[in-house]
Amino acid sequence: QLQLQESGSGLVKPSQTLSLVCNVSGGSISSDGQSWSWIRQPPGKGLEWLGYIYHSGSAHFKPSLKSRITISLDRPNNQFSLRLTSVTAADTAVYYCARAIGGYGDYFDYWGPGILVTVSS
Amino acid sequence: QSMPTQPPSVSGAPGQRVTISCTGTSSNIGAGFNVHWYQQRPGTAPKLLIYDNDNRASGVPDRFSGSKSDTSASLVITGLQAEDEADYYCQSYDSSLSGSRVFGGGTKLTVL
Repeated sequence: QLQLQESGSGLVKPSQTLSLVCNVSGGSISSDGQSWSWIRQPPGKGLEWLGYIYHSGSAHFKPSLKSRITISLDRPNNQFSLRLTSVTAADTAVYYCARAIGGYGDYFDYWGPGILVTVSS
Repeated sequence: QSMPTQPPSVSGAPGQRVTISCTGTSSNIGAGFNVHWYQQRPGTAPKLLIYDNDNRASGVPDRFSGSKSDTSASLVITGLQAEDEADYYCQSYDSSLSGSRVFGGGTKLTVL
């Protein structure tokens, strides 16, 4: 059974960089046919997809975040990470990591429990 | 890139049937991309409910069903139960800006 778990700082100061790691167990992040995404949910609001990285290492991001976001794979540790620079209060949210399968029409079949990140001085 | 539209809320009594709609555009649902549905109970991560328009995820009761037509999709829940009270989100792919996955705004289901 695949399991995902987010970790990282729960409090980030404005203008600084948000960094999160998603640890994957029960399967390899390098296996074919899957991608690894970050999705966030501001308090009381809906879900927002941020970006994904394929098992191959190629990544795609939500266009409005492209200048601030990096997603990378750590194959030896079976993890993938999120970096979001120049954060503001609008980046306060629960951040989820998730696996997607299915190609262009892919869907998220496994999710981490989420981690709340608050941007505040 | 445009987010699919869902009604903010729906409600129904136990045992009843409810339908949640998801209206897209010509760059996502209308372009033929699959629609998926997630259930999110308070304080928990979303859970995959329906994938590829009308396929139930493992362990999902057959009270839940999905369909898709033209630029919209629907999630139908029959025999409503108290435990179905949750937020429901549709999700698809949007071709207007490459590589984007889009979620609907979400629908809060209240069991009366």
